[in-house]
Amino acid sequence: DTGVSQDPRHKITKRGQNVTFRCDPISEHNRLYWYRQTLGQGPEFLTYFQNEAQLEKSRLLSDRFSAERPKGSFSTLEIQRTEQGDSAMYLCASSSQNYGYTFGSGTRLTVV
Amino acid sequence: GESVGLHLPTLSVQEGDNSIINCAYSNSASDYFIWYKQESGKGPQFIIDIRSNMDKRQGQRVTVLLNKTVKHLSLQIAATQPGDSAVYFCAENMDSARQLTFGSGTQLTVLP
Repeated sequence: DTGVSQDPRHKITKRGQNVTFRCDPISEHNRLYWYRQTLGQGPEFLTYFQNEAQLEKSRLLSDRFSAERPKGSFSTLEIQRTEQGDSAMYLCASSSQNYGYTFGSGTRLTVV
Repeated sequence: GESVGLHLPTLSVQEGDNSIINCAYSNSASDYFIWYKQESGKGPQFIIDIRSNMDKRQGQRVTVLLNKTVKHLSLQIAATQPGDSAVYFCAENMDSARQLTFGSGTQLTVLP
């Protein structure tokens, strides 16, 4: 296992389009997190899964955002009707109860 | 709300010198702290963590110190190398399974 994988690495989309990102966590980790990071800032929590259950969502996660983890393995984050303010790095992380968070390399979203 | 913050946004050190990066946290209920290194275009990379029942923890060339009395966390890097140049974030949470709260980061630059 090579760590947390995210796809795509970069995405450029036109305002109003929908985008979907994928995260493959470390296989033995049952916990998965999505964060958003803008330039010069630390990552901000969006949502958290334990296995397939979405247990927590930040108020940053507007109605246009939806995340799933259907089989408790990979996860997807979809943004509908993208806005320029959605431009950011979207980071996925995973953990198990006894190990610290491991982050992926992120998906850089640019909305034009 | 409560948050984690950093004392200095930038730090420049000579190659071979020791670096100290500081972090103040405000949530006295936080019991788990992590330092991350983030290079440009990459996700945060775990460096070292510490739980609130400890006041010091050492890794390879890195030491984390936790002072719960004044709610202060520091990262010491020994014999700083050019490859250490990056943004360093501290993060905290109250339950190792749940979300992390990040500060805004310190840019470390290692001078030749």
